[in-house]
Amino acid sequence: DAKTTQPNSMESNEEEPVHLPCNHSTISGTDYIHWYRQLPSQGPEYVIHGLTSNVNNRMASLAIAEDRKSSTLILHRATLRDAAVYYCILRDVGYGGSQGNLIFGKGTKLSVKP
Amino acid sequence: DSGVTQTPKHLITATGQRVTLRCSPRSGDLSVYWYQQSLDQGLQFLIQYYNGEERAKGNILERFSAQQFPDLHSELNLSSLELGDSALYFCASTVEAHAPGGYTFGSGTRLTVV
Repeated sequence: DAKTTQPNSMESNEEEPVHLPCNHSTISGTDYIHWYRQLPSQGPEYVIHGLTSNVNNRMASLAIAEDRKSSTLILHRATLRDAAVYYCILRDVGYGGSQGNLIFGKGTKLSVKP
Repeated sequence: DSGVTQTPKHLITATGQRVTLRCSPRSGDLSVYWYQQSLDQGLQFLIQYYNGEERAKGNILERFSAQQFPDLHSELNLSSLELGDSALYFCASTVEAHAPGGYTFGSGTRLTVV
C-alpha cells in the first residue's frame, strides 16, 4: 500500500492559518489524497480529498504538488475546535486489491493556542 | 449526527464473553467498514462489506466476525473476549467501494473488557 509521512505534531495560534504537510512519494495514478481529522473520543471526520487539482471546501483547502508526491492541508483560520489529530491517507479507488480501504497512519496532532 | 449510527455507545463485559456491535450506514451507502482503535495501535482496519458481501479483510482476529444484512446494517461479533480487546470500535460507510468520496464515520462503541 502507498504510504504517507506526516509530522507527529504541530502547534498553531488561534485565528492564524495552519499548513499541515504530507509526503506521499509512492502515490499511484488511482490514489486519491484524503484528509480526515479526529477529535478526542470521537470518530474520524472527513475533511477533504483531491486527485490532482487544488480543492477548497467550507472546512479547508487542499494544495497538491504538481508531481502529486506531496500535499498540504490548509486551515485558513485555526480555532480551538480545530485541535485534533489530522490524517493524510491515500485511497486507491482502482480495482486492485485494496478495495478503496482507508489505512490510517499516526497522523499529525495539531494543538491550537489561544 | 453523521448519519452513521452505532449501538451501543458503551459496553462493559467480562473476559470470555461474546458481544455484538451494530452499525447502520448512512442512507444510500452500500459499503460498510469496521475499525478498531486502541490506545497503542491507532485506527486499525478490520473488515469491509459491500451490499451484503465481504470485500476485504484487514487485521481482524479469528475470534471476530461480521456480516451485513439485506437492509445494509452491519454487525460485528466479538467472542472469547480478552482484556486486550478493550477499544473503540468504529463503523464507517461510503456509497460504494470505488467511489472517490470520503467515508462517513459513526461515533463508535467503547468496549471495556474486565
